[in-house]
Amino acid sequence: NAGVTQTPKFQVLKTGQSMTLQCAQDMNHNSMYWYRQDPGMGLRLIYYSASEGTTDKGEVPNGYNVSRLNKREFSLRLESAAPSQTSVYFCASSEVAGRQQETQYFGPGTRLLVL
Amino acid sequence: GESVGLHLPTLSVQEGDNSIINCAYSNSASDYFIWYKQESGKGPQFIIDIRSNMDKRQGQRVTVLLNKTVKHLSLQIAATQPGDSAVYFCAENSGGFKTIFGAGTRLFVKA
Repeated sequence: NAGVTQTPKFQVLKTGQSMTLQCAQDMNHNSMYWYRQDPGMGLRLIYYSASEGTTDKGEVPNGYNVSRLNKREFSLRLESAAPSQTSVYFCASSEVAGRQQETQYFGPGTRLLVL
Repeated sequence: GESVGLHLPTLSVQEGDNSIINCAYSNSASDYFIWYKQESGKGPQFIIDIRSNMDKRQGQRVTVLLNKTVKHLSLQIAATQPGDSAVYFCAENSGGFKTIFGAGTRLFVKA
């Protein structure tokens, strides 16, 4: 039982390049999330997927797209990377029973540097 | 407590002492609160949670206290160990999919 896994662990991009961050969970959770974490700041929600087949914008969606490939996998794509997207990206998953939120479990993160 | 900006507040404790980490939350409608531990280079790890119908919840060596009147949350760690050194942050949720995370407090345990 690996929990939440993310690939790659590290990535360096040049401005304008594109890439996709992969995330998978094996806890059979319905909901998945992508966050970014910048120094001295709390996690900020980029996009989330309440359930398979749905995605919604979070607090900072500009410059990103997501795909909920199936119940297990949720990918984050940067179409044209910018230096402002240098950050650590975390994927998380949770169960949501009706309106009630449950604990989110996080992956180990992807450290992205955009030059 | 929580911080804005690059520098996290730091709490330094002696090994074996108790630690208390505080958090002021922002939304009076929040009804679910979580404490996470984040070690350097790793993802946040769930420690303990509490819902608004409770004032206190205990886990193994950890206790969370919730004061809804002043919108304050605290995490108490008993008999702090070197392995407890990490950044601790609180999170609040008012139902639904958007959780607000604090920036965190860095706990440093002196051997």
